[in-house]
Amino acid sequence: GQSLEQPSEVTAVEGAIVQINCTYQTSGFYGLSWYQQHDGGAPTFLSYNGLDGLEETGRFSSFLSRSDSYGYLLLQELQMKDSASYFCAVIRRDDKIIFGKGTRLHILP
Amino acid sequence: DAMVIQNPRYQVTQFGKPVTLSCSQTLNHNVMYWYQQKSSQAPKLLFHYYDKDFNNEADTPDNFQSRRPNTSFCFLDIRSPGLGDAAMYLCATSRGTYEQYFGPGTRLTVT
Repeated sequence: GQSLEQPSEVTAVEGAIVQINCTYQTSGFYGLSWYQQHDGGAPTFLSYNGLDGLEETGRFSSFLSRSDSYGYLLLQELQMKDSASYFCAVIRRDDKIIFGKGTRLHILP
Repeated sequence: DAMVIQNPRYQVTQFGKPVTLSCSQTLNHNVMYWYQQKSSQAPKLLFHYYDKDFNNEADTPDNFQSRRPNTSFCFLDIRSPGLGDAAMYLCATSRGTYEQYFGPGTRLTVT
């Protein structure tokens, strides 16, 4: 079968760093993407990892370990506007895309 | 600005009354997707088109159909909406598969 696991909720303080983990089990794994979705809005693309290692884009970084079937999204210098849901999404070689159930990030002032 | 546009943003239909949702894009992306997203859940892929090649997810109900008459437009037809089909319907595009551009969505209410 296939599955993605990510925490349902995470709480952090403004200005801090938070890590959202994603573990997956799937055949034909190709890569892992991350999306942000604010309430009532559409998902927006944050990052993609096709190879092992860290990808950095401003305050956001994403990591992938294919051998561990694990990835994470790291958000630094948290701002109140980062309060949203974050989805990891597995991309398979057959072009199938599977989204995780999402992690709701709460940021405290 | 290049973008993905969905119309209407809000759609109310009656139980069993066919409804069509539309999506257009100015990005000239060759791949288009339709997702269903229910409250506090992950987007669920219904279909995708790779150019004109149609790909139906195995668990997409037969009640859902899609058309892509050209590169820019894609339609989602729900032949006989049920109460369980009330959801946000998201259209997305991409050049490959890992970076998708989502439209604002159409929120469907079934009465």
